[in-house]
Amino acid sequence: GNSVTQMEGPVTLSEEAFLTINCTYTATGYPSLFWYVQYPGEGLQLLLKATKADDKGSNKGFEATYRKETTSFHLEKGSVQVSDSAVYFCALRTGANNLFFGTGTRLTVIP
Amino acid sequence: DAGITQSPRHKVTETGTPVTLRCHQTENHRYMYWYRQDPGHGLRLIHYSYGVKDTDKGEVSDGYSVSRSKTEDFLLTLESATSSQTSVYFCAISESGKGALNTEAFFGQGTRLTVV
Repeated sequence: GNSVTQMEGPVTLSEEAFLTINCTYTATGYPSLFWYVQYPGEGLQLLLKATKADDKGSNKGFEATYRKETTSFHLEKGSVQVSDSAVYFCALRTGANNLFFGTGTRLTVIP
Repeated sequence: DAGITQSPRHKVTETGTPVTLRCHQTENHRYMYWYRQDPGHGLRLIHYSYGVKDTDKGEVSDGYSVSRSKTEDFLLTLESATSSQTSVYFCAISESGKGALNTEAFFGQGTRLTVV
Protein backbone atom coordinates (compact mmCIF):
# COMPACT_ATOMS: atom_id res chain seq x y z
CA GLY A 1 0.00 0.00 0.00
CA ASN A 2 0.86 3.68 0.06
CA SER A 3 1.93 5.48 3.21
CA VAL A 4 4.08 8.33 4.46
CA THR A 5 5.99 8.41 7.73
CA GLN A 6 7.11 11.75 9.09
CA MET A 7 9.31 12.60 11.98
CA GLU A 8 7.42 13.25 15.18
CA GLY A 9 7.14 16.80 16.36
CA PRO A 10 6.93 19.33 17.64
CA VAL A 11 10.23 20.82 16.60
CA THR A 12 11.48 24.01 18.24
CA LEU A 13 14.46 25.86 16.79
CA SER A 14 16.15 29.17 17.29
CA GLU A 15 16.17 31.63 14.42
CA GLU A 16 18.92 30.91 11.85
CA ALA A 17 19.23 27.27 12.92
CA PHE A 18 19.38 24.42 10.40
CA LEU A 19 16.17 22.49 9.85
CA THR A 20 15.65 18.88 8.86
CA ILE A 21 12.28 17.15 8.87
CA ASN A 22 12.51 13.50 7.94
CA CYS A 23 10.04 11.83 5.61
CA THR A 24 10.04 8.26 4.31
CA TYR A 25 7.44 6.61 2.15
CA THR A 26 6.05 3.32 0.94
CA ALA A 27 4.42 3.31 -2.46
CA THR A 28 3.32 1.10 -5.30
CA GLY A 29 4.72 2.28 -8.58
CA TYR A 30 6.58 5.55 -8.98
CA PRO A 31 5.03 8.31 -6.92
CA SER A 32 5.45 12.04 -7.02
CA LEU A 33 6.46 13.55 -3.68
CA PHE A 34 5.36 16.81 -2.11
CA TRP A 35 5.88 18.99 0.92
CA TYR A 36 2.94 21.12 2.00
CA VAL A 37 2.93 23.84 4.64
CA GLN A 38 0.00 24.92 6.81
CA TYR A 39 0.12 28.26 8.56
CA PRO A 40 -2.20 28.83 11.54
CA GLY A 41 -5.85 29.01 10.57
CA GLU A 42 -5.19 28.33 6.91
CA GLY A 43 -5.38 25.51 4.42
CA LEU A 44 -2.39 23.63 3.04
CA GLN A 45 -0.12 25.25 0.48
CA LEU A 46 2.35 23.47 -1.75
CA LEU A 47 5.91 24.19 -0.63
CA LEU A 48 7.83 22.06 -3.13
CA LYS A 49 7.61 18.87 -5.13
CA ALA A 50 9.70 16.29 -6.96
CA THR A 51 8.37 13.97 -9.60
CA LYS A 52 11.14 11.42 -10.17
CA ALA A 53 14.15 9.90 -8.49
CA ASP A 54 17.05 12.29 -7.77
CA ASP A 55 14.93 15.35 -8.49
CA LYS A 56 15.41 18.18 -6.03
CA GLY A 57 12.48 20.42 -5.21
CA SER A 58 13.18 23.86 -3.80
CA ASN A 59 11.25 26.94 -2.76
CA LYS A 60 11.70 29.81 -0.26
CA GLY A 61 15.05 28.38 0.88
CA PHE A 62 13.58 24.94 1.56
CA GLU A 63 14.72 21.92 -0.41
CA ALA A 64 14.15 18.19 -0.56
CA THR A 65 15.64 15.46 -2.75
CA TYR A 66 13.69 12.43 -3.98
CA ARG A 67 15.79 9.45 -2.89
CA LYS A 68 14.44 6.26 -4.36
CA GLU A 69 17.12 4.02 -2.84
CA THR A 70 16.20 5.10 0.70
CA THR A 71 12.54 5.93 -0.10
CA SER A 72 13.00 9.32 1.51
CA PHE A 73 12.17 12.96 0.86
CA HIS A 74 13.63 14.90 3.78
CA LEU A 75 12.91 18.62 4.06
CA GLU A 76 15.82 20.95 4.82
CA LYS A 77 16.45 24.64 5.25
CA GLY A 78 19.78 26.19 6.10
CA SER A 79 18.56 29.09 8.23
CA VAL A 80 15.02 29.19 9.57
CA GLN A 81 13.08 32.34 10.35
CA VAL A 82 10.26 33.03 12.78
CA SER A 83 7.93 33.26 9.79
CA ASP A 84 8.64 29.60 8.98
CA SER A 85 6.70 28.51 12.05
CA ALA A 86 3.96 26.24 10.71
CA VAL A 87 2.96 22.62 10.30
CA TYR A 88 4.73 20.75 7.50
CA PHE A 89 3.23 17.76 5.72
CA CYS A 90 4.99 15.27 3.49
CA ALA A 91 2.78 13.66 0.85
CA LEU A 92 2.93 11.28 -2.07
CA ARG A 93 0.80 10.85 -5.11
CA THR A 94 0.47 7.71 -7.21
CA GLY A 95 -2.49 8.80 -9.31
CA ALA A 96 -5.14 11.46 -9.67
CA ASN A 97 -7.41 9.94 -7.08
CA ASN A 98 -5.49 10.72 -3.91
CA LEU A 99 -2.65 12.32 -2.06
CA PHE A 100 -1.36 10.33 0.90
CA PHE A 101 -0.23 12.53 3.77
CA GLY A 102 2.06 12.10 6.73
CA THR A 103 0.84 13.14 10.15
CA GLY A 104 2.48 16.55 10.00
CA THR A 105 5.36 18.12 11.93
CA ARG A 106 4.82 21.34 13.84
CA LEU A 107 7.78 23.72 13.66
CA THR A 108 8.19 26.63 16.04
CA VAL A 109 11.03 29.08 15.47
CA ILE A 110 11.92 31.34 18.37
CA PRO A 111 13.76 34.66 18.00
CA ASP B 1 -4.64 31.73 -4.82
CA ALA B 2 -6.73 28.98 -6.34
CA GLY B 3 -10.42 29.84 -6.32
CA ILE B 4 -11.76 27.49 -3.67
CA THR B 5 -14.40 28.54 -1.18
CA GLN B 6 -15.62 26.40 1.67
CA SER B 7 -18.77 27.14 3.60
CA PRO B 8 -19.46 27.42 6.39
CA ARG B 9 -16.06 28.10 7.94
CA HIS B 10 -17.22 27.13 11.41
CA LYS B 11 -20.18 25.10 12.58
CA VAL B 12 -21.40 23.66 15.85
CA THR B 13 -24.11 21.06 15.59
CA GLU B 14 -25.82 18.52 17.80
CA THR B 15 -25.37 14.78 17.69
CA GLY B 16 -27.80 13.14 15.32
CA THR B 17 -28.44 16.13 13.11
CA PRO B 18 -27.59 16.21 9.39
CA VAL B 19 -24.86 18.59 8.25
CA THR B 20 -23.81 19.64 4.77
CA LEU B 21 -20.53 21.31 3.94
CA ARG B 22 -20.03 23.01 0.62
CA CYS B 23 -16.97 23.41 -1.57
CA HIS B 24 -17.09 25.74 -4.54
CA GLN B 25 -14.30 26.14 -7.11
CA THR B 26 -13.78 28.59 -9.94
CA GLU B 27 -10.83 26.76 -11.55
CA ASN B 28 -12.80 24.22 -13.59
CA HIS B 29 -10.64 21.40 -12.22
CA ARG B 30 -11.96 17.92 -12.78
CA TYR B 31 -10.96 16.36 -9.45
CA MET B 32 -12.35 17.45 -6.09
CA TYR B 33 -11.63 15.92 -2.71
CA TRP B 34 -12.84 16.05 0.86
CA TYR B 35 -10.32 15.43 3.62
CA ARG B 36 -10.55 15.52 7.38
CA GLN B 37 -7.67 16.65 9.54
CA ASP B 38 -7.22 15.26 13.03
CA PRO B 39 -4.28 15.42 15.44
CA GLY B 40 -1.95 12.48 14.98
CA HIS B 41 -3.57 11.45 11.70
CA GLY B 42 -2.63 14.14 9.24
CA LEU B 43 -5.15 14.44 6.43
CA ARG B 44 -7.31 11.50 5.50
CA LEU B 45 -9.41 11.22 2.36
CA ILE B 46 -13.15 10.91 2.88
CA HIS B 47 -14.49 10.98 -0.69
CA TYR B 48 -13.40 12.32 -4.01
CA SER B 49 -15.00 13.16 -7.34
CA TYR B 50 -13.57 12.77 -10.82
CA GLY B 51 -16.40 14.47 -12.64
CA VAL B 52 -20.03 15.52 -12.43
CA LYS B 53 -21.95 12.74 -10.67
CA ASP B 54 -18.77 10.63 -10.51
CA THR B 55 -17.61 10.00 -6.97
CA ASP B 56 -15.75 7.37 -5.03
CA LYS B 57 -14.90 6.50 -1.45
CA GLY B 58 -11.71 7.31 0.36
CA GLU B 59 -10.21 5.65 3.41
CA VAL B 60 -12.62 7.13 6.01
CA SER B 61 -15.94 7.32 4.15
CA ASP B 62 -18.24 5.70 6.73
CA GLY B 63 -20.90 8.14 7.91
CA TYR B 64 -20.35 10.53 5.00
CA SER B 65 -21.91 10.99 1.59
CA VAL B 66 -21.09 13.37 -1.24
CA SER B 67 -22.68 14.82 -4.31
CA ARG B 68 -21.45 16.70 -7.34
CA SER B 69 -24.17 18.00 -9.60
CA LYS B 70 -22.01 20.72 -11.17
CA THR B 71 -18.32 20.91 -11.94
CA GLU B 72 -17.83 23.75 -9.48
CA ASP B 73 -19.63 22.35 -6.43
CA PHE B 74 -18.85 19.37 -4.22
CA LEU B 75 -21.01 18.77 -1.18
CA LEU B 76 -20.15 16.67 1.85
CA THR B 77 -23.04 15.45 4.00
CA LEU B 78 -22.95 13.94 7.44
CA GLU B 79 -26.26 12.11 7.54
CA SER B 80 -26.39 11.92 11.33
CA ALA B 81 -23.49 13.71 12.97
CA THR B 82 -21.55 12.00 15.76
CA SER B 83 -18.92 13.36 18.14
CA SER B 84 -16.25 11.34 16.30
CA GLN B 85 -16.88 13.54 13.28
CA THR B 86 -15.68 16.63 15.11
CA SER B 87 -12.79 17.67 12.92
CA VAL B 88 -11.46 20.20 10.47
CA TYR B 89 -12.62 19.44 6.95
CA PHE B 90 -10.69 20.50 3.89
CA CYS B 91 -11.76 20.55 0.30
CA ALA B 92 -9.11 20.23 -2.40
CA ILE B 93 -9.07 20.38 -6.19
CA SER B 94 -6.70 19.07 -8.79
CA GLU B 95 -6.27 18.92 -12.52
CA SER B 96 -6.44 15.68 -14.40
CA GLY B 97 -5.05 14.24 -17.56
CA LYS B 98 -1.56 13.03 -18.34
CA GLY B 99 0.01 15.36 -15.84
CA ALA B 100 -2.23 14.39 -12.97
CA LEU B 101 0.43 12.42 -11.16
CA ASN B 102 2.67 15.44 -10.96
CA THR B 103 0.18 18.16 -10.28
CA GLU B 104 -0.42 19.61 -6.90
CA ALA B 105 -3.73 19.76 -5.12
CA PHE B 106 -5.04 23.17 -4.07
CA PHE B 107 -6.76 23.40 -0.72
CA GLY B 108 -9.57 25.48 0.67
CA GLN B 109 -9.38 27.29 4.01
CA GLY B 110 -11.11 24.52 5.91
CA THR B 111 -14.32 24.12 7.91
CA ARG B 112 -14.10 23.53 11.64
CA LEU B 113 -17.01 21.30 12.65
CA THR B 114 -17.87 20.59 16.27
CA VAL B 115 -20.47 17.98 17.12
CA VAL B 116 -21.79 18.30 20.67
